Amino acid sequence: DAKTTQPTSMDCAEGRAANLPCNHSTISGNEYVYWYRQIHSQGPQYIIHGLKNNETNEMASLIITEDRKSSTLILPHATLRDTAVYYCIVRVAGYGGATNKLIFGTGTLLAVQP
Amino acid sequence: DTGVSQDPRHKITKRGQNVTFRCDPISEHNRLYWYRQTLGQGPEFLTYFQNEAQLEKSRLLSDRFSAERPKGSFSTLEIQRTEQGDSAMYLCASSLGGSGRSPLHFGNGTRLTVT
Repeated sequence: DAKTTQPTSMDCAEGRAANLPCNHSTISGNEYVYWYRQIHSQGPQYIIHGLKNNETNEMASLIITEDRKSSTLILPHATLRDTAVYYCIVRVAGYGGATNKLIFGTGTLLAVQP
Repeated sequence: DTGVSQDPRHKITKRGQNVTFRCDPISEHNRLYWYRQTLGQGPEFLTYFQNEAQLEKSRLLSDRFSAERPKGSFSTLEIQRTEQGDSAMYLCASSLGGSGRSPLHFGNGTRLTVT
């Protein structure tokens, strides 16, 4: 699986948009970009994923550059409850018996400030 | 709540004892994964099942660790002769199918402390 690079930590003011960057310069054409977050003492929570196109759901938006070498997760109106570690992961879109496991890095600690 | 359920949430045991954790995946999910997470690190893959078949095991899964999913529904993870280095959060996840398009959904884990 391709390796991702994320900043160790970021701050964001409550009510503002949080933009979390991720570099995945060695991503392959059949690899998805996934985002998870983990709030203290809980399991990772799925946020969003995409292959080529930008994606939006009720939690966030995912912007993938045209060359697919980087992406940005956008939380449009951050709240204190969005304080968490955010993981950017690339995952092969295999089928059949392939593991397709997620390989986590150390993520970005987002601190939303009041 | 129909999410992934893990039991117990916390387990404290003495070194050398055996422990067993249980995971109940989302009901229609045929894939089940176990991960381990230590403080300050991201979760590390241990093993996964497709239905009742265990298809991959990480090198992290020593001979003291065994996982089962006998009927393709719930799974158990047993650690024999626990060591202090086994202290960690053990996470279970499930997914519908093996495609990279199918997100893994995680439970809230079992925190193991070995004294």
